[in-house]
Amino acid sequence: GENVEQHPSTLSVQEGDSAVIKCTYSDSASNYFPWYKQELGKGPQLIIDIRSNVGEKKDQRIAVTLNKTAKHFSLHITETQPEDSAVYFCAAHDNNAGNMLTFGGGTRLMVKP
Amino acid sequence: EPEVTQTPSHQVTQMGQEVILRCVPISNHLYFYWYRQILGQKVEFLVSFYNNEISEKSEIFDDQFSVERPDGSNFTLKIRSTKLEDSAMYFCASSVHDSNTGELFFGEGSRLTVL
Repeated sequence: GENVEQHPSTLSVQEGDSAVIKCTYSDSASNYFPWYKQELGKGPQLIIDIRSNVGEKKDQRIAVTLNKTAKHFSLHITETQPEDSAVYFCAAHDNNAGNMLTFGGGTRLMVKP
Repeated sequence: EPEVTQTPSHQVTQMGQEVILRCVPISNHLYFYWYRQILGQKVEFLVSFYNNEISEKSEIFDDQFSVERPDGSNFTLKIRSTKLEDSAMYFCASSVHDSNTGELFFGEGSRLTVL
């Protein structure tokens, strides 16, 4: 089955700096890659997603890139703000594996004011 | 804004006891899921439910687990005889379409502690 690895597990940046979180996946059949943000005491919330027919997608300060050949995808947050502090999860969906998402281990992002 | 609600937020139980975790998905959603997260580990898929039946389940979802949508609004996860290793945060989620097509909306989770 699919295996998703996520790095780093913790990331501390200064407010205004950029943050990059990287994920790799094992199943070349995976075709949908969402990113979730989990704030303390809350459930994960979708912030951006990308499909395998696209190499990059941007939404304001957040962007995601996908390299299908290398089987990795990354989340980029620019001009970080303290409210960006949270745990971020990448995930992958294999259309052949039914209706389940496989999550990475999560990255705790801390943005210092 | 519509949201997925879960109860209880925290439950403490003795090993061997039955536990029912409840979820109210977003009303127009058709797909329902349970995921769990053991402390410090990955979020893991347990089961998906569509059209009043299980559509997918993982290896974790053994005979001790069951799901039910008893009344058209609630979606429950039952653990028949809890084990220590069942201690985790359990997340319910729902979506309009399947998880390859649309966004999953997660609840805030139910923390289960098995003593």
